[in-house]
Amino acid sequence: KNEVEQSPQNLTAQEGEFITINCSYSVGISALHWLQQHPGGGIVSLFMLSSGKKKHGRLIATINIQEKHSSLHITASHPRDSAVYICAVIRGGADGLTFGKGTHLIIQP
Amino acid sequence: GAVVSQHPSWVICKSGTSVKIECRSLDFQATTMFWYRQFPKQSLMLMATSNEGSKATYEQGVEKDKFLINHASLTLSTLTVTSAHPEDSSFYICSAPRLVGANEQFFGPGTRLTVL
Repeated sequence: KNEVEQSPQNLTAQEGEFITINCSYSVGISALHWLQQHPGGGIVSLFMLSSGKKKHGRLIATINIQEKHSSLHITASHPRDSAVYICAVIRGGADGLTFGKGTHLIIQP
Repeated sequence: GAVVSQHPSWVICKSGTSVKIECRSLDFQATTMFWYRQFPKQSLMLMATSNEGSKATYEQGVEKDKFLINHASLTLSTLTVTSAHPEDSSFYICSAPRLVGANEQFFGPGTRLTVL
């Protein structure tokens, strides 16, 4: 079993829909990252969470440390949101990231 | 946010040759940098932790003699793929925390290596 599990693996939705991507992890962490990867491979860091909730524009990320679960929400989705969204955890500040397999999101106009 | 660059962004080489990939922190000093790779349609995997002034720490299953890491300055880490083979074809990406021990990581744009 992977230490970081994401669901769904693939998601296709219509423009304007509310999107939720889930991430569960099985290890103790100091922080969780949500990342966005576009087809060329480049990675953009969307959020880093260690507790609670963060919001940036149409993106919202939440984390429940006790339940070892995080969600990424996209409101009013747009075709430009199409990308792979990756959940990654860090156990401690001196450690590298452990990644989920990613969620391939396609938003259709 | 902090800026991390990688060079080259893509490289094609013949089997048996060595390829060097550079990761630079442009506006901060990074005592630690991380190297990851991503095979097609797979998740990113940590390869090694590069430590300025000391030996790199490799993850299980990563050959340290094949993937040479040098972190000779506070702004530059290099990954050299020695005697590259087609199975080394992958997307290599580095990251660095801006502050020592910080959780926030800044990613380079990645290097796509194709070995013929």
